[in-house]
Amino acid sequence: AQSVTQLDSQVPVFEEAPVELRCNYSSSVSVYLFWYVQYPNQGLQLLLKYLSGSTLVESINGFEAEFNKSQTSFHLRKPSVHISDTAEYFCAVTGAGSYQLTFGKGTKLSVIP
Amino acid sequence: NAGVMQNPRHLVRRRGQEARLRCSPMKGHSHVYWYRQLPEEGLKFMVYLQKENIIDESGMPKERFSAEFPKEGPSILRIQQVVRGDSAAYFCASSPISPDTGYGYTFGSGTRLTVV
Repeated sequence: AQSVTQLDSQVPVFEEAPVELRCNYSSSVSVYLFWYVQYPNQGLQLLLKYLSGSTLVESINGFEAEFNKSQTSFHLRKPSVHISDTAEYFCAVTGAGSYQLTFGKGTKLSVIP
Repeated sequence: NAGVMQNPRHLVRRRGQEARLRCSPMKGHSHVYWYRQLPEEGLKFMVYLQKENIIDESGMPKERFSAEFPKEGPSILRIQQVVRGDSAAYFCASSPISPDTGYGYTFGSGTRLTVV
């Protein structure tokens, strides 16, 4: 069985400040990890994913996440946020051989002008 | 290339009525998944289908809920005799290959069901 914990339900941050959204997972098998972003009244968009190889993965809009196996974490970071980053962010995990994505409860990022 | 198309975007049903939610996967995608998002919750897996086959329905409630993905046409999630607790956002996703490769899904914009 797999589970995902997103420690913060809401994160307010000022524009151009750095942000970290935390995600911890548990799984008994090797994992694939994902971050999705959901803008209001829209579906989820894949932000980035870790499958194997380099533990640091990046998205095209400046976000990055680092897979830490010993701490079972996959935190999402951005060095300087924009107003347009205001959204809800979901961490998800699936395991090799699994069909299902297990999602965390989400973190609402609010960027303050 | 159109994304995953879901309709309707919003659906209001009275208690006891039936709700039918439709999902057209991306072109070339033969794997379809349905997830439900309750208020203040993450998405919960419901069912995984391929054309004419249900692969995994372990997340589907045992009663009133059914899903299909026929040879022709969209995938349908059907909820019979809806109750207020069925009010949620229902998301469909698709992928071109099996998700156990880590490929990931493409999600639709969802159908927001309100039961009054």
